[in-house]
Amino acid sequence: QVQLVQSGAEVKKPGASLKVSCKASGYTFTDYYMHWVRQAPGQGLEWMGWINPNSGGTNYAQKFQGRVTMTRDTSISTAYMELSRLRSDDTAVYYCTIAADGSYMSHFDYWGQGTLVTVSS
Amino acid sequence: SYELTQPPSVSVSPGQTASITCSGDKLGNKYACWYQQKPGQSPVLVIYQDNKRPSGIPERFSGSNSGNTATLTISGTQAMDEADYYCQTWDSSTNVFGTGTKVTVL
Repeated sequence: QVQLVQSGAEVKKPGASLKVSCKASGYTFTDYYMHWVRQAPGQGLEWMGWINPNSGGTNYAQKFQGRVTMTRDTSISTAYMELSRLRSDDTAVYYCTIAADGSYMSHFDYWGQGTLVTVSS
Repeated sequence: SYELTQPPSVSVSPGQTASITCSGDKLGNKYACWYQQKPGQSPVLVIYQDNKRPSGIPERFSGSNSGNTATLTISGTQAMDEADYYCQTWDSSTNVFGTGTKVTVL
């Protein structure tokens, strides 16, 4: 069965960087684009971008361009999302998710459990 | 940028029908999907490609999409359906989520 297991909660100071991992299992890691979505406390879902695990190609939401970097390590079926120059409004739960039809523009069938990131001085 | 607007809240009595709308410019020309999210949990896909149900999603969940509005309908609503619901689509290679609707089963 498909599983996306994310790294644990983190507390960061303003200006720092964070790196969240997402380990995939139950499918061929390079078959499906990996997307990242975040959710601030009490707020809605916000799409951050995707990485093509096969080629390493990326597409970031305009809001995050220049601050986000998505990478992957195919040898361990793990995707990473790094966000720099953290601000207090980056406090959120960060999710990895995949669309299992192979398209980069589709619905999200599987989600990680989420990683809570708190940005506070 | 493209926006999807949902009502903040919908209330429904057990056994009745809940309808949640999602409005966006010419949304009917795109695919829409819906997620259910319960407190402290990851979202779960309940409808994709306007009206398809993933395996394991009860038949009481249905969807439609026409004109500027996509609609998620929950027939015979149960207490377990109380959750936040989000619509989603794609516009110019950018993913867009709706503003979210809290469904309360009274």
